[in-house]
Amino acid sequence: GQQVMQIPQYQHVQEGEDFTTYCNSSTTLSNIQWYKQRPGGHPVFLIQLVKSGEVKKQKRLTFQFGEAKKNSSLHITATQTTDVGTYFCAGSGAGSYQLTFGKGTKLSVIP
Amino acid sequence: GAVVSQHPSRVICKSGTSVKIECRSLDFQATTMFWYRQFPKQSLMLMATSNEGSKATYEQGVEKDKFLINHASLTLSTLTVTSAHPEDSSFYICSAARNLGTGNYNEQFFGPGTRLTVL
Repeated sequence: GQQVMQIPQYQHVQEGEDFTTYCNSSTTLSNIQWYKQRPGGHPVFLIQLVKSGEVKKQKRLTFQFGEAKKNSSLHITATQTTDVGTYFCAGSGAGSYQLTFGKGTKLSVIP
Repeated sequence: GAVVSQHPSRVICKSGTSVKIECRSLDFQATTMFWYRQFPKQSLMLMATSNEGSKATYEQGVEKDKFLINHASLTLSTLTVTSAHPEDSSFYICSAARNLGTGNYNEQFFGPGTRLTVL
């Protein structure tokens, strides 16, 4: 079955430093989504990427979808304490509603 | 974004009892809902896919007789944990999928989750 690997599992950064989490799928994806889960909260949808090579930005967050549609990354520039949480990527195959989640990257930001 | 509610948010029950968790999409019709289970500090594990008006599709290793799912309407799906045991203690999260009608768009909106503790 489809597997989605995500690294790193944990990342501790000083406030102001950049942060990147990477996601790799064992199969070609139709789309990939990114979610953020704050401690004690539930996952919140951030963005969806559909096109090969797509790059989307949301303020300090940059999302990329690989040319082969098997990998993706989330980059945060100049992290802030409000960025703390676990970031999950989730991919789905063609014609499927089902999402396969990566294990997530837990981001800690040291003030 | 769309709103999905989940009730109860927290439940503590005795071993052997059954617990029902409701998931409602409040502002859109969700033909498909998903039930996930999340262990502490771990990712979301898909348990089953719930389709309105039909039987749920369970993931491998998930007992359908243990975790009963009913999707009675386009806005409500329920998960019943039957004869709960301490190992069923977990964070259960539902999500509702909204098809934006473009390609394979399938944005999911998550409920706030239900923390189940079985004593």
